[in-house]
Amino acid sequence: AQKITQTQPGMFVQEKEAVTLDCTYDTSDPSYGLFWYKQPSSGEMIFLIYQGSYDQQNATEGRYSLNFQKARKSANLVISASQLGDSAMYFCAMRGSTLGRLYFGRGTQLTVWP
Amino acid sequence: DAGITQSPRYKITETGRQVTLMCHQTWSHSYMFWYRQDLGHGLRLIYYSAAADITDKGEVPDGYVVSRSKTENFPLTLESATRSQTSVYFCASVGLAETGELFFGEGSRLTVL
Repeated sequence: AQKITQTQPGMFVQEKEAVTLDCTYDTSDPSYGLFWYKQPSSGEMIFLIYQGSYDQQNATEGRYSLNFQKARKSANLVISASQLGDSAMYFCAMRGSTLGRLYFGRGTQLTVWP
Repeated sequence: DAGITQSPRYKITETGRQVTLMCHQTWSHSYMFWYRQDLGHGLRLIYYSAAADITDKGEVPDGYVVSRSKTENFPLTLESATRSQTSVYFCASVGLAETGELFFGEGSRLTVL
């Protein structure tokens, strides 16, 4: 069975600093994908970044990077140069064998302060 | 480019009533999903559909019914609403087959009194 664990219910970071949001996963599938989504207070789900299990390099998208450590089964999100608009709930998710079927963690509430 | 639209966005109903949440997508994506979001649980899959007339259960299907007669529509019905079904419901479809990235609707907030 697939499982995603986010152990940080809340995180605080000062503007312009970097922050790491933790995510560990468990799966028996040899091929899987890892996602991070952002949910601002307005409620919509915004896709941030994707990492395939066979990708050799860590994924990056602008200020977002995914620190993928396959042996440790971790997929931490790193946000560089935090902005006030980064304050939101962040969800880690994993795709198993069924296309589009994602398993979500419980989320981390990030607050960026000036 | 409308994407995925959900209706209603907000709904208050009473225990025992039937409620249908609508989901419409304009991309002709094959796969569609219904998730519910509850505090402390993240998002959990209720039902999904691989194509018209093909549906399957997710993690928490009890108390829900789905249908998919047309590719673009994927309604979710609560046949007899219970307070435990108070939640935010998200409809989604798969955008990129290579990754399985989900595109979400704006969500429907349902309150069952």
